[in-house]
Amino acid sequence: DAKTTQPNSMESNEEEPVHLPCNHSTISGTDYIHWYRQLPSQGPEYVIHGLTSNVNNRMASLAIAEDRKSSTLILHRATLRDAAVYYCILSLFGNEKLTFGTGTRLTIIP
Amino acid sequence: EPEVTQTPSHQVTQMGQEVILRCVPISNHLYFYWYRQILGQKVEFLVSFYNNEISEKSEIFDDQFSVERPDGSNFTLKIRSTKLEDSAMYFCASRLIQAINEKLFFGSGTQLSVL
Repeated sequence: DAKTTQPNSMESNEEEPVHLPCNHSTISGTDYIHWYRQLPSQGPEYVIHGLTSNVNNRMASLAIAEDRKSSTLILHRATLRDAAVYYCILSLFGNEKLTFGTGTRLTIIP
Repeated sequence: EPEVTQTPSHQVTQMGQEVILRCVPISNHLYFYWYRQILGQKVEFLVSFYNNEISEKSEIFDDQFSVERPDGSNFTLKIRSTKLEDSAMYFCASRLIQAINEKLFFGSGTQLSVL
């Protein structure tokens, strides 16, 4: 299975943009890149996903490298409510279950 | 936005007892899942369920575990004889279709404590 690599933790100041990186150098052409987050004491929550092109939604933006070997989740203006563990997950063709890694624990500094 | 609902939020049981964890998936969703997360560890896949059948299960999902959709709205996870190592947060999830670009909706979880 293609794996993802994320930093264990990151910090950001409130109201500033946050860029969360993810490496997935063994990604195959049909794998989607998903981002989920898990707020304290909550279940995982969908953030965004993409295949090749950059994607925007109300929560975040996803920037995907041209070779697709890395991606970056962008929170445009972090709030305290964005403090969570962020998971970058590859959704593998023919195996649609999500396999969670350890993610990046994002701390927001007021 | 519609939600996946799980009850109870906390369940305490004695080792060897049976427990049933309950979930109400989003009403028009067709695919259902259970995941678990032991404290401080990763979220782990247990089982997926579609059309009243298990479609995939992990090594964790042994004979002590079973799932059921008893009435068209609820989705349950039963552990027949609980062990101490079953203590974890259990998350139910659902999705509309089984596709790699379809998002998964998770409930808030049931914290199971086995004493």
